[in-house]
Amino acid sequence: SYVVTQPPSVSVAPGKTATISCGGSHIGGKSVHWYQQKPGQAPVLVISYDNDRPSGIPERFSGSNSGNTATLTISRVEAGDEADYYCQVWDSNIDIGIFGGGSKLTVL
Amino acid sequence: QVQLQESGPGLVKPSETLSLTCPVSGGSISDYYWSWIRQPPGKGLEWIGYIFYNGNTNYNPSLKSRVTISLDTSKNQFSLKLSSVTAADTAVYYCARVIVAGNIDSWGQGTLVTVSS
Repeated sequence: SYVVTQPPSVSVAPGKTATISCGGSHIGGKSVHWYQQKPGQAPVLVISYDNDRPSGIPERFSGSNSGNTATLTISRVEAGDEADYYCQVWDSNIDIGIFGGGSKLTVL
Repeated sequence: QVQLQESGPGLVKPSETLSLTCPVSGGSISDYYWSWIRQPPGKGLEWIGYIFYNGNTNYNPSLKSRVTISLDTSKNQFSLKLSSVTAADTAVYYCARVIVAGNIDSWGQGTLVTVSS
């Protein structure tokens, strides 16, 4: 089945820009979705279809997808952005969703 | 705004069958994939499978031999059964609504199921 790879951890200072990658073979040809999960809570969709922000998600969250890497970018990072972030694609070969392993964002 | 809420036993004995139900309120059951996703403690998310409103199902190949997802349209709910459980099946189980072959737009709050004698 399709495999997507994320860095286990990303650290960033408040006010700076965080980038979280999601790698996969020709992932640029797939739609990538991103979820934020805080401790003890269900995940929340922050980016869908590469770069669409659901209602209520700050403009600081954006996404891109090209080649073998999709990227979630969080500008002007705040302490409240500290969470685990998961990318997700649909594996059309087995017709099921696939998650990356997750990236823990630490705000220094 | 659709609402989902997992229900079922929080403790299951090894070799027995885990059973969870997810009532759907505030929305139609049509036109979506209704999914189960799990997360072992301290680990990442794993998609278990889904059922479409017409009854078609698909399961993660790694769990396919042990999983059944069903839909009760009269009660507007869907269910998960996972047989022959072991400690490795201990996880928070989420029910979720999925845009067809796309993203998850609604999640239940999750329920911890522990497999232990």
